[in-house]
Amino acid sequence: AQSVSQHNHHVILSEAASLELGCNYSYGGTVNLFWYVQYPGQHLQLLLKYFSGDPLVKGIKGFEAEFIKSKFSFNLRKPSVQWSDTAEYFCAVTPSGSARQLTFGSGTQLTVLP
Amino acid sequence: DGGITQSPKYLFRKEGQNVTLSCEQNLNHDAMYWYRQDPGQGLRLIYYSQIVNDFQKGDIAEGYSVSREKKESFPLTVTSAQKNPTAFYLCASSLKGGLFFGPGTRLTVT
Repeated sequence: AQSVSQHNHHVILSEAASLELGCNYSYGGTVNLFWYVQYPGQHLQLLLKYFSGDPLVKGIKGFEAEFIKSKFSFNLRKPSVQWSDTAEYFCAVTPSGSARQLTFGSGTQLTVLP
Repeated sequence: DGGITQSPKYLFRKEGQNVTLSCEQNLNHDAMYWYRQDPGQGLRLIYYSQIVNDFQKGDIAEGYSVSREKKESFPLTVTSAQKNPTAFYLCASSLKGGLFFGPGTRLTVT
């Protein structure tokens, strides 16, 4: 079975700082990868996803993630964070073609100080 | 508006009682899912259904039951056998890739 690790449980940054949230997964085959975001009091929303092709994926609100197959990683990045990016971020993985859907990481709480 | 609705938003029950959480979607998605969210543990899959009248256990199905009699509806029953039922429960649906989540129900059992 697949698993996902998010090593940073809580990250605190000042506005305009650069962000990188780590995500590593374990699974021997081909995977689909996702980042979800949960803003305070709101639904979980899809930020970006990787299925195949260009390993650098761009999502909404200026976020991007890079799939590095050799490192089993899918780190989320943003060059300059804003106060409104304060949220909890979840990385998720599913084997390609699986209908069982996603295995989630434990989440990273990002707090951006104004 | 298309989307997923879960009701109620907050639910309180006494220990030993079964409780059913509702989930309805009008997105015409075939697949629906129930996740449980606990602090520091992310989301864990309880049950999922790919099609009407069919459902499969997820990672933590013990103490839960579901039904899928209609495409739009996937209710979750938390039974008295669930040892730690207090949690935030999220329903989701999917067409291809990615999941669309409902707003969640916070269940408190005392």
